[in-house]
Amino acid sequence: KQEVTQIPAALSVPEGENLVLNCSFTDSAIYNLQWFRQDPGKGLTSLLLIQSSQREQTSGRLNASLDKSSGRSTLYIAASQPGDSATYLCAVLSGGGGNKLTFGTGTQLKVEL
Amino acid sequence: DGGITQSPKYLFRKEGQNVTLSCEQNLNHDAMYWYRQDPGQGLRLIYYSQIVNDFQKGDIAEGYSVSREKKESFPLTVTSAQKNPTAFYLCASSRSSGRTGELFFGEGSRLTVL
Repeated sequence: KQEVTQIPAALSVPEGENLVLNCSFTDSAIYNLQWFRQDPGKGLTSLLLIQSSQREQTSGRLNASLDKSSGRSTLYIAASQPGDSATYLCAVLSGGGGNKLTFGTGTQLKVEL
Repeated sequence: DGGITQSPKYLFRKEGQNVTLSCEQNLNHDAMYWYRQDPGQGLRLIYYSQIVNDFQKGDIAEGYSVSREKKESFPLTVTSAQKNPTAFYLCASSRSSGRTGELFFGEGSRLTVL
């Protein structure tokens, strides 16, 4: 059974800092990995999708990497801003039928002025 | 403006009542999903549908029911058999149920049992 872990559960950084969020998964036979952002009381917003054949994806100040063999992904946020404050979740698609994702519990990020 | 619309945003239910959460998408996506989110836990899949008139149980389907009569709509009914229904419910869709699809979410519906 696939398990997804995100550490740390919470992170507080000063504005302007570059930071890395971590996601690990137990079954390396994945099809893709997706990073999401969730603001309090809101739905999830898709940030980046990495296919199993890819090593990384970039969008603006965000860069996500994938190392299937070690069961790890990182989300790099450059020059963090207070507006980046949110919970970041990763999810992996692996095995089974349909497009069923296994989610981590998220990292709650606070970027302080 | 394409997207996924969930309603109502907040819903209160008395014990023993069934309630239905609405999910509508205009993205022309084939696959739709319902997830439940509880504090401190990852999202858990309730039901999913890959095509009209077909749906499958997810990991926590007991006490829930769905229908998929139209491509755009995937309503979720929380029945009185669901013992702990207070949660945040999220509807999602993807272009296909294949192994490459990106998932898009609605804004969620928060259900509270009084």
